[in-house]
Amino acid sequence: AQTVTQSQPEMSVQEAETVTLSCTYDTSESDYYLFWYKQPPSRQMILVIRQEAYKQQNATENRFSVNFQKAAKSFSLKISDSQLGDAAMYFCAYRRSNYGQNFVFGPGTRLSVLP
Amino acid sequence: GAVVSQHPSRVICKSGTSVKIECRSLDFQATTMFWYRQFPKKSLMLMATSNEGSKATYEQGVEKDKFLINHASLTLSTLTVTSAHPEDSSFYICSAPLGSFPGVNIQYFGAGTRLSVL
Repeated sequence: AQTVTQSQPEMSVQEAETVTLSCTYDTSESDYYLFWYKQPPSRQMILVIRQEAYKQQNATENRFSVNFQKAAKSFSLKISDSQLGDAAMYFCAYRRSNYGQNFVFGPGTRLSVLP
Repeated sequence: GAVVSQHPSRVICKSGTSVKIECRSLDFQATTMFWYRQFPKKSLMLMATSNEGSKATYEQGVEKDKFLINHASLTLSTLTVTSAHPEDSSFYICSAPLGSFPGVNIQYFGAGTRLSVL
């Protein structure tokens, strides 16, 4: 079974600074997807960024980028120029590449942004 | 754009009553939907996979008779918490994948339902 681990239950960052959230996973599959989801107090799941395992290039979305190390099964999220609105729970998630597969979520990291 | 609508967003009920939660895919058909449960300050745990026209697949430890899932149409899945008790209080979230073949793998989440059982 696949597992996702986030070793940082809580993180804080100063506004405008950069923070990196860690994620490791375990799978025997060679093709899969990895995601970072943000869950603000409203609890709506918001997709931050996703990475296809077959792509070597790290995904980027504006201020958000990932460091995907497939051999090490590591998938960290870097948030640059942190904003107050970035404060939320962040979940790392794994999903197999076939259609209709569920997510496996990590335990989450609560990010606080300090003004 | 394609979204998933979940209703109700919040429900408070008395112990022993049943509660139905709806998950609808808007503008797209979903032969599969997923139901997750999230305890306070915890992660999302998959409860079951809802399959249109067939029985749901439940994860280990999830009571089938407690959490009834019906996926009667290509756009609607329902989760019924039967004879709810305070320990069933939780946040329930559904998700639905867009697309019918590998490569189109976007999934959308509902906004969730907060269930409080008194």
